[in-house]
Amino acid sequence: GAVVSQHPSWVICKSGTSVKIECRSLDFQATTMFWYRQFPKQSLMLMATSNEGSKATYEQGVEKDKFLINHASLTLSTLTVTSAHPEDSSFYICSAIVSGYSTDTQYFGPGTRLTVL
Amino acid sequence: QQQVKQSPQSLIVQKGGISIINCAYENTAFDYFPWYQQFPGKGPALLIAIRPDVSEKKEGRFTISFNKSAKQFSLHIMDSQPGDSATYFCAASSGETSGSRLTFGEGTQLTVNP
Repeated sequence: GAVVSQHPSWVICKSGTSVKIECRSLDFQATTMFWYRQFPKQSLMLMATSNEGSKATYEQGVEKDKFLINHASLTLSTLTVTSAHPEDSSFYICSAIVSGYSTDTQYFGPGTRLTVL
Repeated sequence: QQQVKQSPQSLIVQKGGISIINCAYENTAFDYFPWYQQFPGKGPALLIAIRPDVSEKKEGRFTISFNKSAKQFSLHIMDSQPGDSATYFCAASSGETSGSRLTFGEGTQLTVNP
C-alpha cells in the first residue's frame, strides 16, 4: 500500500522559534499533498493543498506567512511553522494522492505532535 | 454547503455487536465517500470508500450503505471487536472539481467493550 511518513513524530520548541515538519511519500510519487491540523478530540482541518513545483493553496483563515509550505519534489513536502506560539500547538498531519491513480484517495501520514512552550 | 454531519459523537458497543455510524451531506457534487479510522496519536487510515453508483460496499466486517436520494451514508462494523475502538471519520469529496479536497465529518469515538 501507499506509505506516507512524517518527521519528526513529535517536537517541543520555545515560543518564537520556527519548526519544520517533513512529509514523504515512501513508495509512490505524489503530485499533490495536503496539510491538516487536528486539535484534541476534534476533526481534521485542512490547512493547505501542496502541489509539486507550484505555490501551495491555503484555506481561508490560514496564514500563509506563518505556515510555509514547500513541495520541492514528487516525494517531499515540508511545513514550516514560523515564529511558533503556544496556540500553534497541535497535531499536524499530511496526506498524499498517488500520482496517476485515483485522484480521490488520500493516504495519511502518522502525524507530528507540536508543542510550543 | 460543504458540511458533512456525522453522528453519533460517541458510541459504546459490546463485543460481537454491530456498530453503526451515520453521515449526511448537502453538496450534491460530492462523488466520493471514504471512511477513515484513527487511533490516538496516529494519522487516519483509509478503511473503505464508496461512490454514488452503488448502494452498498462490503469489505470484511466493514460495510458502507449509501442512500443517494437522502444524501446519507453509513458505516456498519459487524462483529465489533475491542481492537476496533478508535475514532471514525466520514468524509466526502467532489474529486478534481474540488482539487480532491476532503470534507470531514466531526468524528465518532467508538468504544467496544470486551
